[in-house]
Amino acid sequence: AQSVAQPEDQVNVAEGNPLTVKCTYSVSGNPYLFWYVQYPNRGLQFLLKYITGDNLVKGSYGFEAEFNKSQTSFHLKKPSALVSDSALYFCAVTDTGTASKLTFGTGTRLQVTL
Amino acid sequence: DTAVSQTPKYLVTQMGNDKSIKCEQNLGHDTMYWYKQDSKKFLKIMFSYNNKELIINETVPNRFSPKSPDKAHLNLHINSLELGDSAVYFCASSQGIGGQPQHFGDGTRLSIL
Repeated sequence: AQSVAQPEDQVNVAEGNPLTVKCTYSVSGNPYLFWYVQYPNRGLQFLLKYITGDNLVKGSYGFEAEFNKSQTSFHLKKPSALVSDSALYFCAVTDTGTASKLTFGTGTRLQVTL
Repeated sequence: DTAVSQTPKYLVTQMGNDKSIKCEQNLGHDTMYWYKQDSKKFLKIMFSYNNKELIINETVPNRFSPKSPDKAHLNLHINSLELGDSAVYFCASSQGIGGQPQHFGDGTRLSIL
């Protein structure tokens, strides 16, 4: 069975500071990893994914994530947070055997303040 | 142009009624999904179709029946609605099933009175 853990319900950061949203995963095969963002009353928007290759993945809106196989982590990062980044962030995983079946984490609310 | 569109956006109805939610995507994708997001924002897959063929059917009450008339459409019919069905239902689509990003609609908020 595959699973995702997002240990923080909420992350607070001041605008201009770096941000990190944590994610750890568990799969039986090789992981496909994703980050999505959800704004109020909207659907999820794709930010970035890791399939294979370089462990540092760059995505939309200046976000990036680092795949760490030994720690089974895929933390989302951004060097300088914006107030407009405030939203709900979801990490998701699937493995190569069930490639279409995404399992989502419980979400982390990011609050960026002035 | 809306890539994945769902109708209706809001659905308020009484327990025991039957209702349908429609989804259409104009991205040319061959795979579509239904997700349920509960009040705590937990998101869980319900169904997935690839080229009109059902490929994912999670543990969902058989009161829920998906139907894909073509690759661009995936509808969800719910019989005998219960209070626990209150949630936001999201439709999504992707090209293929090999770990491609999924594109989500803005959801249908279902409220059962």
